[in-house]
Amino acid sequence: KNQVEQSPQSLIILEGKNCTLQCNYTVSPFSNLRWYKQDTGRGPVSLTIMTFSENTKSNGRYTATLDADTKQSSLHITASQLSDSASYICVVSAEAAGNKLTFGGGTRVLVKP
Amino acid sequence: DGGITQSPKYLFRKEGQNVTLSCEQNLNHDAMYWYRQDPGQGLRLIYYSQIVNDFQKGDIAEGYSVSREKKESFPLTVTSAQKNPTAFYLCASRLGGLNTGELFFGEGSRLTVL
Repeated sequence: KNQVEQSPQSLIILEGKNCTLQCNYTVSPFSNLRWYKQDTGRGPVSLTIMTFSENTKSNGRYTATLDADTKQSSLHITASQLSDSASYICVVSAEAAGNKLTFGGGTRVLVKP
Repeated sequence: DGGITQSPKYLFRKEGQNVTLSCEQNLNHDAMYWYRQDPGQGLRLIYYSQIVNDFQKGDIAEGYSVSREKKESFPLTVTSAQKNPTAFYLCASRLGGLNTGELFFGEGSRLTVL
């Protein structure tokens, strides 16, 4: 069964600090991995999308890494800002007809001043 | 501006009533999706459509129905057969190919059954 597990479930960090979110998956055959940011009560917004051959991809202060061998990804937030308070969702795509997406449960980040 | 518009933002329903959630996009995307989001859980696929006049059941289609009469529109009806309909519903459309296509989400509709 395809699964995506994210950790931690939630975390609190001080403004200006860095943090790293983890995503482990068992989706097979792997096609790509996406990270989304979801503000409370809003729709998710794409941060990055990574294919098998990509190890690192950045989007401003967000840097995603992918290790396809160990089936792990991380999202690193640098110099956090209050606006980074949101849920971050890891989504893995299986290479099959219909582009099946498996969503993780998300990590809720709260940035405090 | 191009985007996906969901309405209403909030909806209250009495048990036994059907309700329809609207999803409109002006991005000229072929594929559209409906997801359900419950607290602490990953998004679950209800229905998807890759072309006008065609749609497929997702993982949790029971108690829901859709139509795709126009490219721009993909409404979702939550029927009285859905046993636990209180949730946050997200509509999305896809740009690009099957495996790398970017998903664009609407702002969501929160349905509460009283």
